[in-house]
Amino acid sequence: EVQLVESGGGLVQPGGSLRLSCAASGFTFSGYWMSWVRQAPGKGLEWVANIKQDGSEKYYVDSVKGRFTISRDNAKNSLYLQMNSLRAEDTAVYYCGGSMEFWGQGTTVTVSS
Amino acid sequence: QSVLTQPPSASGTPGQRVTITCSGSSSNIGNYNVNWYQHLPGTAPKLLIQTNNQRPSGVPDRFSGSKSGTSASLAIGGLQSDDEADYYCATWDNSLNGWVFGGGTKLTVL
Repeated sequence: EVQLVESGGGLVQPGGSLRLSCAASGFTFSGYWMSWVRQAPGKGLEWVANIKQDGSEKYYVDSVKGRFTISRDNAKNSLYLQMNSLRAEDTAVYYCGGSMEFWGQGTTVTVSS
Repeated sequence: QSVLTQPPSASGTPGQRVTITCSGSSSNIGNYNVNWYQHLPGTAPKLLIQTNNQRPSGVPDRFSGSKSGTSASLAIGGLQSDDEADYYCATWDNSLNGWVFGGGTKLTVL
């Protein structure tokens, strides 16, 4: 069974940092592009970033460029999102996804003083 | 404002057929395949349609997708109460160099 489990969310002050993790199982992790998508309160889904199978290509939505870094460890079947210089507008549920096809249950990030 | 345009809401009665549209441009839908997702906030999004019109295993054939030019649509036939959810289209955009989602359509089953 394909499973993606996100962790690392929480409450952080503006300007702070968080690192999200996503543990993958039930599929060949190293064979898939992986993504992060988010949903802010009362808003729709927004793609955040994705990373190629070997990590050689990474793409980001403009609003997080220079602040967020997506990475992966294929040996650990894990995906990460390092989030720096967090802003109130980054408050959202963050979902980890495989090839834009299947998704985890999400982890909540709240940026507030 | 989303790059892909969807109606904010749609509704129908049980058993009816409902269609949700998604309008884009040549930088996205016009040149790339479209996915459709069903989502209840706080839960994992579910892929309903991939590559414009392909249903993943386990998705009922009541759900169908199509694409023409720079627009795509999702049709839901034989509407059921548990179809109440938010529906999103998504595709790659080569001018933004990233995936883009529609703003979402909230489906209500009356």
